[in-house]
Amino acid sequence: GEEVAQTPKHLVRGEGQKAKLYCAPIKGHSYVFWYQQVLKNEFKFLISFQNENVFDETGMPKERFSAKCLPNSPCSLEIQATKLEDSAVYFCASSPYLVGSSYNEQFFGPGTRLTVL
Amino acid sequence: DAKTTQPPSMDCAEGRAANLPCNHSTISGNEYVYWYRQIHSQGPQYIIHGLKNNETNEMASLIITEDRKSSTLILPHATLRDTAVYYCIASYGKFYFGSGTKLNVKP
Repeated sequence: GEEVAQTPKHLVRGEGQKAKLYCAPIKGHSYVFWYQQVLKNEFKFLISFQNENVFDETGMPKERFSAKCLPNSPCSLEIQATKLEDSAVYFCASSPYLVGSSYNEQFFGPGTRLTVL
Repeated sequence: DAKTTQPPSMDCAEGRAANLPCNHSTISGNEYVYWYRQIHSQGPQYIIHGLKNNETNEMASLIITEDRKSSTLILPHATLRDTAVYYCIASYGKFYFGSGTKLNVKP
């Protein structure tokens, strides 16, 4: 598609429950990025993929967060045993190129709002 | 990635040019300057990017200083719909968003 699609739009989980978020990048884009926006303005980089391979996972909390991008499937971000502080909007972005190109802008999806109660 | 510094908020009269400054004094040679904006809680929207030269597109102009330590985003004729948080990012890959500038366009 021509836009990054994210599902669901809203997700409510009780503390300790699992949450799974999905992202369909723009067709033909090789790179996928996940960001977390906790407070109104503050974004945190979580992880990026080059096709199905993890490219950079320096922002991922190791214990409870995991992510995958499998061929012919939407990418996913999973949080095991959610905590109150995981409440945030999670944005996915895709990009056609990363390195050595001027055309490496990221196109963002509409986000998934996760509320942990 | 280079850290960027932006004023927390700015006001602009509708129809006037909005000039949003950004400081990125630690930018490295291969890092591009990107500008995005976020309207309410929507996904960030790409505006413009550049490396060294000034750039212009249908939305805005980007002026980068010769030493590349700062830049200015110019919205030539601001409208009420341009009210948003504007983020300046200096990056070669993943994006580090700062706090951005809340631009208030007033009638």
